[in-house]
Amino acid sequence: NAGVTQTPKFQVLKTGQSMTLQCAQDMNHEYMSWYRQDPGMGLRLIHYSVGAGITDQGEVPNGYNVSRSTTEDFPLRLLSAAPSQTSVYFCASSHRGRWSVADTQYFGPGTRLTVL
Amino acid sequence: KNEVEQSPQNLTAQEGEFITINCSYSVGISALHWLQQHPGGGIVSLFMLSSGKKKHGRLIATINIQEKHSSLHITASHPRDSAVYICAVRQGGSEKLVFGKGTKLTVNP
Repeated sequence: NAGVTQTPKFQVLKTGQSMTLQCAQDMNHEYMSWYRQDPGMGLRLIHYSVGAGITDQGEVPNGYNVSRSTTEDFPLRLLSAAPSQTSVYFCASSHRGRWSVADTQYFGPGTRLTVL
Repeated sequence: KNEVEQSPQNLTAQEGEFITINCSYSVGISALHWLQQHPGGGIVSLFMLSSGKKKHGRLIATINIQEKHSSLHITASHPRDSAVYICAVRQGGSEKLVFGKGTKLTVNP
């Protein structure tokens, strides 16, 4: 299994540009999520999905869009990049375990995004 | 106030020392996770627990639900244990995880 894969690893954008961060998992996990990690702050949830066709907002959803058309893929779209979106982005996935609550998390390697 | 507080923020130890990292939270939870972030940035899950204690090799995680507190212990620490250790909680009935800011551990040879 490849686990959770993310592309690209690094990206530089100009303010106003749009782009899509790709995330895929091959473990048949129902739950997928996107986080951003900024210096001095904990990981913050952007969007998450509990299955194909179902997405919901996290703590910091503004400026980001997601869709979940398949179990495997969960892309994150930046609609109009801003310098405040400079961050490291992590995708994670897990099974939905006991009580239908997400189980052990598997993280992708991260995407380091700089917006100029 | 952050819902998940970790202490200390930074910890430096000598090889072989016993390490304790603490996590306190302010909400009712269904599960608590301990994660390790390597210097290269990758994040791996160490433990998920909802009660009691779990052990994996030299790592031990404990949780006290009544006191809303968890500890991560590392016995016989080694320089390869140098990493950021992150505590995260899932509020009861929620799918979402809330993360602490992490504890940066440096183990010197």
